[in-house]
Amino acid sequence: AQSVTQLGSHVSVSEGALVLLRCNYSSSVPPYLFWYVQYPNQGLQLLLKYTTGATLVKGINGFEAEFKKSETSFHLTKPSAHMSDAAEYFCAVSFYGGSQGNLIFGKGTKLSVKP
Amino acid sequence: DVKVTQSSRYLVKRTGEKVFLECVQDMDHENMFWYRQDPGLGLRLIYFSYDVKMKEKGDIPEGYSVSREKKERFSLILESASTNQTSMYLCASSFGTSVGDTQYFGPGTRLTVL
Repeated sequence: AQSVTQLGSHVSVSEGALVLLRCNYSSSVPPYLFWYVQYPNQGLQLLLKYTTGATLVKGINGFEAEFKKSETSFHLTKPSAHMSDAAEYFCAVSFYGGSQGNLIFGKGTKLSVKP
Repeated sequence: DVKVTQSSRYLVKRTGEKVFLECVQDMDHENMFWYRQDPGLGLRLIYFSYDVKMKEKGDIPEGYSVSREKKERFSLILESASTNQTSMYLCASSFGTSVGDTQYFGPGTRLTVL
């Protein structure tokens, strides 16, 4: 069965430090991979997604993620954290053979940024 | 820009009441979704619809029903609200042409059942 695992429900970094949020997936078919961000009291907003082609994907707000098939991973990174990056981040996967357009979400990682 | 709106940001209801949550999208999307979000559990799919009057159960449909009479509107119905349905409810929509379609989310409705 397809699934998504986000390692670490809470991650805390200092302002200016590297942000690394981990996501591993389980899928027997090629996946489509997404990262969403949720700011407090708001809905989810797409940060970036991988469908096909280049495995390094750049998104909004300076975030990027790399699809590594051999490691079944799609970790999210940002070189230098800003206070405004404090939010909850969700990794998600969809795939052929699943219901059209359905996403399977990880449980989320809450990012805190210390001044 | 795609806009997905939900009828209420906050809602307080009593046990046993019938509750309607409304969602409207303005991009002529084929697919619409209802999720429930709880701390530590992430997002769980309740129901989705890929066309007018069409619906399919998601992972946790028990205690919920849905209605899609018009393409732009997708309603979630709690027939008899219970305290364990206190949660954040998120609506989303997507074009529906590809597995890789982006889902666009509304701002959410935080429902409290007393």
